[in-house]
Amino acid sequence: DGGITQSPKYLFRKEGQNVTLSCEQNLNHDAMYWYRQDPGQGLRLIYYSQIVNDFQKGDIAEGYSVSREKKESFPLTVTSAQKNPTAFYLCASNQGLNTEAFFGQGTRLTVV
Amino acid sequence: AQSVTQPDIHITVSEGASLELRCNYSYGATPYLFWYVQSPGQGLQLLLKYFSGDTLVQGIKGFEAEFKRSQSSFNLRKPSVHWSDAAEYFCAVVFSGTYKYIFGTGTRLKVLA
Repeated sequence: DGGITQSPKYLFRKEGQNVTLSCEQNLNHDAMYWYRQDPGQGLRLIYYSQIVNDFQKGDIAEGYSVSREKKESFPLTVTSAQKNPTAFYLCASNQGLNTEAFFGQGTRLTVV
Repeated sequence: AQSVTQPDIHITVSEGASLELRCNYSYGATPYLFWYVQSPGQGLQLLLKYFSGDTLVQGIKGFEAEFKRSQSSFNLRKPSVHWSDAAEYFCAVVFSGTYKYIFGTGTRLKVLA
């Protein structure tokens, strides 16, 4: 089945460590996105990529980094510079401009 | 700044009652509008979308939404709510020519048996 796979579902890290969240899609979509979800704040855009080897900062990019070396993959690294990394992270993709986004099942990151 | 407002943080309805969830967006270029549903700890599932044409759109699970350009609104409705509809609902907009989806803060629906 086509879809978006995020792994792992749950992730625990110690403060000060970098951690990478995986996002893979087999929908042949051009665009991919990373969102952060906190209670009562909806979804906030971290980074997005319209095409391979290109990506743009969203509204809350500080403390995060991404890469887009392959069309199907868009990993997100949460660095030690992110002051409050504990959150639910959602990856999404769509075919391009003005099309609906499809979401993965999310990764819950807890930093202790 | 462009934004989406969902004024109701929580809504509680009885099973079988009708439902309306409100969504307003700030003025911008041609909007493309979406409603998503999220169960706890899960990703978002698309309920319906509006791109153009008939302003009343039908979605999955018996939901519908009406686009009213004059009111910058895209309210979600369901005639008879089922207990399984309990979830969080998000309205989203993307303006023509942009990749950036703007999400509302969500409305959490509770259904009483």
